[in-house]
Amino acid sequence: DIQMTQSPSSLSASVGDRVTITCQASQDIVNYLNWYQQKPGKAPKLLIYDASNLDTGVPSRFSGSDSGTEFTFTINSLQPEDIATYYCQQYANLPITFGQGTRLEIK
Amino acid sequence: QVQLQQWGARLLKPSETLSLTCAVYGGSFSGYYWSWIRQPPGKGLEWIGEINDSGNTNYNPSLKSRVSISVDTSKNQFSLKLNSVTAADTAVYFCASRTMTFDYWGEGTLVTVSS
Repeated sequence: DIQMTQSPSSLSASVGDRVTITCQASQDIVNYLNWYQQKPGKAPKLLIYDASNLDTGVPSRFSGSDSGTEFTFTINSLQPEDIATYYCQQYANLPITFGQGTRLEIK
Repeated sequence: QVQLQQWGARLLKPSETLSLTCAVYGGSFSGYYWSWIRQPPGKGLEWIGEINDSGNTNYNPSLKSRVSISVDTSKNQFSLKLNSVTAADTAVYFCASRTMTFDYWGEGTLVTVSS
């Protein structure tokens, strides 16, 4: 299985801050990496696909990038509605695997 | 707009079989893999497995011996069965459609295993 090591596991930031989350894949996954946002009691919502492509309707303050097997998710100018848990997910190989999640809180 | 509606038993005893069904409304049933994903309370997401409209399945090896996913294309439905459940199987179970991404999701069903 491909292991996705996501960090940090939790993060506290202020409104307006820039927030960065990383996912390290245990082997090459090209750019087959997606990012999801999950709010309490809800299903995850796709934000970014193929490492750096913003899904339709997702605010432009969200972005993603990759460098080899390390993937970065960034929120520029954190908003109160961004409070959620964020997950990376690889689909290069089955089984599909997710990162452990990053819980984002507002200071 | 595709909508997924899921249902099934929410309280099970150890050793029983978990059974959930997901109905797909408002879109094509072909061209997707129809997936099940679970999330234990307070924990992360685990992909269980998937099926397409031709009945081709993929399962997570960690659950493969206990899992069966089936499809009923006449009703645009797919189902999950998980045998011999234990407390460790207590989780919210989501159905979802997958292409390169998990595009559409059900609302989730909390299944509790308790004696």
